[in-house]
Amino acid sequence: EDQVTQSPEALRLQEGESSSLNCSYTVSGLRGLFWYRQDPGKGPEFLFTLYSAGEEKEKERLKATLTKKESFLHITAPKPEDSATYLCAVQAHTNAGKSTFGDGTTLTVKP
Amino acid sequence: DVKVTQSSRYLVKRTGEKVFLECVQDMDHENMFWYRQDPGLGLRLIYFSYDVKMKEKGDIPEGYSVSREKKERFSLILESASTNQTSMYLCASSLIPGGISYEQYFGPGTRLTVT
Repeated sequence: EDQVTQSPEALRLQEGESSSLNCSYTVSGLRGLFWYRQDPGKGPEFLFTLYSAGEEKEKERLKATLTKKESFLHITAPKPEDSATYLCAVQAHTNAGKSTFGDGTTLTVKP
Repeated sequence: DVKVTQSSRYLVKRTGEKVFLECVQDMDHENMFWYRQDPGLGLRLIYFSYDVKMKEKGDIPEGYSVSREKKERFSLILESASTNQTSMYLCASSLIPGGISYEQYFGPGTRLTVT
C-alpha cells in the first residue's frame, strides 16, 4: 500500500526565515510525486511534479527536490502570502491515475 | 488554464435528504475524482471515474454514489444524507497521458452541512 507522511504538521516562520517541509513516501513504482498548495476554504492548487530521484523544480521562493524515499519543499525567504497548507501526493505506475495524499504541513509566516 | 467548477460553495441539507453535488471540468480530462476533506483525516477518495459511465470505488464509498454521463461532468450523490457526511467535498480532474504522470486539478470545494 502506498503511503505518504509529511512533517512537520505545522511550521511557523518569521518573514525571511528559510526552511524546508518534508514528504516521506513508500510506493510500488513511482510514476510521479506532486506538491500542492491549499489556502483555507479552497481546493488544492497544483505546484510541481517530480518524476525521478535527483530532479528539482523551482517556482518563485519554492524549490522541490526528490530522492528515492522523500521529497523536500524548500522555502527561501518566505513572505506572509506563502502561508498555506502544503500537500504532497504520490502516484504509482499501477494505480490507474489515483494519487495517495499526505495530511499536509500548515505553514504560517509572520511579518 | 484548467478550470474545475463545483455547483455550490456552501450547502445546508437536512438528514435523510438526497443531495447532488455537481462538478464540471473544461479541459477534456478523462479522469475525475470526488474527495472529502475533514480536519485531521486529510483528503479521502470517495469515487473515481476514468471514462464516461465508468467508475471505481475509492477508500470511503459507503453512503455515496456517482454518475458520469458526459466526459466533462461528474456528479456525487448522497442518497440519504446523514450528519456524519458534513464535510468539505472536493472534485478534481486529470489527464490520461501516454505513460507520464499527471497532476490533479481541483475545484473550489463545496462545504456541506447536514443538520
